[in-house]
Amino acid sequence: SAVISQKPSRDICQRGTSLTIQCQVDSQVTMMFWYRQQPGQSLTLIATANQGSEATYESGFVIDKFPISRPNLTFSTLTVSNMSPEDSSIYLCSVEDLPRTSVREQFFGPGTRLTVL
Amino acid sequence: GIQVEQSPPDLILQEGANSTLRCNFSDSVNNLQWFHQNPWGQLINLFYIPSGTKQNGRLSATTVATERYSLLYISSSQTTDSGVYFCAGNTGGFKTIFGAGTRLFVKA
Repeated sequence: SAVISQKPSRDICQRGTSLTIQCQVDSQVTMMFWYRQQPGQSLTLIATANQGSEATYESGFVIDKFPISRPNLTFSTLTVSNMSPEDSSIYLCSVEDLPRTSVREQFFGPGTRLTVL
Repeated sequence: GIQVEQSPPDLILQEGANSTLRCNFSDSVNNLQWFHQNPWGQLINLFYIPSGTKQNGRLSATTVATERYSLLYISSSQTTDSGVYFCAGNTGGFKTIFGAGTRLFVKA
């Protein structure tokens, strides 16, 4: 399976500022996703990062708040903009290698633990 | 969209005990996975199991797709099994839905 790294692993930020999270994969993958996990909660999909085009956002998430880039098949960034304490969460990127394999299995990066003061 | 229910929500075991975790889906799923989130937040893939039965060491899983449920069996539990267990699936699109999780604590 692909090896996924995220930077930073954790950060403490002031409200009103922005943070960009990087996700790097050690091989080319077709699908990359960004998830949010609020404290004590399950995972919620923010968006699908599309290579070379705008990300596809899920209901409740907008591009102005969570801009996403995916310049190639191994790298993506998620920015959390104009942060408030409610944005304190773990942010995770995940990948699928569809359609190179017929198995639709997702793998996750180690996550970025964000605290907003 | 599909709904995913996991039970029990919380579970405390004595080391060495066995347990069964359940995942119910409101609709048919094409892909089903089980994950373990360790206390450091890392999500570890346990099984990709859209149907049938698989085993990996002390863990095994069974999915009955026609009845829209999956079971995760943990035998001879160890303290390192503690954490949150999630099941997740989708109906063929790109959006994967996660259950609320089962929080497991194994006492030494």
